[in-house]
Amino acid sequence: DIVMTQSPLSLPVTPGEPASISCRSNQSLLHNNGHNYLDWYLQKAGQSPQLLIYLGSYRASGVPDRVSGSGSGTDFTLKISRVEAGDVGLYYCMQGLQTPPAFGPGTRLDIK
Amino acid sequence: VQLLESGGDLVQPGGSLRLSCVVSGFSFSSYSMIWVRQAPGKGLEWVSDIKSDDGRTSYADSVKGRFTISRDNSKNTLYLQMSTLRAEDTAVYYCARGYCSPNACYRYDYWGQGTLVTVSS
Repeated sequence: DIVMTQSPLSLPVTPGEPASISCRSNQSLLHNNGHNYLDWYLQKAGQSPQLLIYLGSYRASGVPDRVSGSGSGTDFTLKISRVEAGDVGLYYCMQGLQTPPAFGPGTRLDIK
Repeated sequence: VQLLESGGDLVQPGGSLRLSCVVSGFSFSSYSMIWVRQAPGKGLEWVSDIKSDDGRTSYADSVKGRFTISRDNSKNTLYLQMSTLRAEDTAVYYCARGYCSPNACYRYDYWGQGTLVTVSS
């Protein structure tokens, strides 16, 4: 099975400052169609998860361009260029290349 | 687009429960669907999915042989039949719609609000 790891697990950020979360898999997530099957989700307190980024770098509908995804193979990064109070929550990466799909452990982003 | 789960309840160990996820606002039959759960204070765990094209199903090892995912496209409804429930199945269960091409899945863009299953005596 593919195992996902994330770092850091806790990320305090000053509003207006950038934030970066790393996600790694123990196997390549690159499909032979050229896409990386890596999504990013944000779960705010008391809410359902919401899609931020799919296929490694495609921004979901309604997601501000402050949020971006990059990476390929086994190493991926979610970046927020200027953190706002509404960005607080748990960020999860998820691989969908192989069954079983797997989530990372989550990174908690808080405001300093 | 809306997804509305129901069926969560308090059930004794060894018991059974059926969760439903009624969807609206999109062509249900065109999308693969997933169940994800979240135990109290824990992270997200994929449970099961069902493909849109041929109805193939997949399960996490932790639920294989005990849970059955199904869909009724005529009723725009996704189901999760859970049996031989254990304390460790206690969680909020979410349904979500996604895309699969054909075995690799991604882009779970709409989620339900979740339904709580508690397994306890």
